[in-house]
Amino acid sequence: AQSVTQLGSHVSVSEGALVLLRCNYSSSVPPYLFWYVQYPNQGLQLLLKYTSAATLVKGINGFEAEFKKSETSFHLTKPSAHMSDAAEYFCAVSEGRGYQKVTFGIGTKLQVIP
Amino acid sequence: DAGITQSPRHKVTETGTPVTLRCHQTENHRYMYWYRQDPGHGLRLIHYSYGVKDTDKGEVSDGYSVSRSKTEDFLLTLESATSSQTSVYFCAISESSGGPHHTQYFGPGTRLTVL
Repeated sequence: AQSVTQLGSHVSVSEGALVLLRCNYSSSVPPYLFWYVQYPNQGLQLLLKYTSAATLVKGINGFEAEFKKSETSFHLTKPSAHMSDAAEYFCAVSEGRGYQKVTFGIGTKLQVIP
Repeated sequence: DAGITQSPRHKVTETGTPVTLRCHQTENHRYMYWYRQDPGHGLRLIHYSYGVKDTDKGEVSDGYSVSRSKTEDFLLTLESATSSQTSVYFCAISESSGGPHHTQYFGPGTRLTVL
C-alpha cells in the first residue's frame, strides 16, 4: 500500500532563509509524487509533481523537489523564503494504476518569520 | 482556476440531522472526490466517483453516502450527523485517475460544525 510521511508538522524559517520540507514515501511500484500548497481558508493547489521524466522538478513560486529513489524521498525546497510562502504544504503519492487514489500526508505548516 | 464550487460554504447543524453538501464543476472532469481535513490527519478520502452513478468508498466512508447523477454534480450526505463529523470538507476533480498527468483541483471547502 502507498503512503507518505511528512516529517515536522510545523516548520519555522526566517524570511530569506532556505525552506526545506521533508517527505518520504512508500510504494510497491514506481510512484508519482506531488506537492500541494494550501493558503489559509482556501483549497489545495498543485505546486509541482514528479512523473519520472526528471528527478529534479521545478514548480511554481520558486519551489523545487528532488526525487531520490534510494532514500524514498521527495523533499521540497526553496532557496529563499518569502512572507507569502506561509501556508500548509502537503506531499502526496499515487501508484499510477487503475482507479488508484492519491494518498496525502498530514501536512506541514510553514511559518515565515520577518 | 478550475471551476469548482461547493455549497454551502459554512454550516452549523445538530447531532442526528441529515446534511447534504454539494460539489459542482464546470470542467467536465470524469473523476470527483470528497475529502475531509482534520488537524493531525491531513486529507482523508471519504468517497470518490469515476463516472455518473459510479462511486466507491475511501478510507473514512462510514457515516457518509454519495451520489452522482450528472457529470457536474457530486453530493455528499451525512445521514445522521455526529460531532465526530465536524470538519472541513473538500471536493476535488481530476481528468485522469492517476499516472503522470494526474492533478487534482480542489474546491474552496465547506466548514461543517455538528453541535
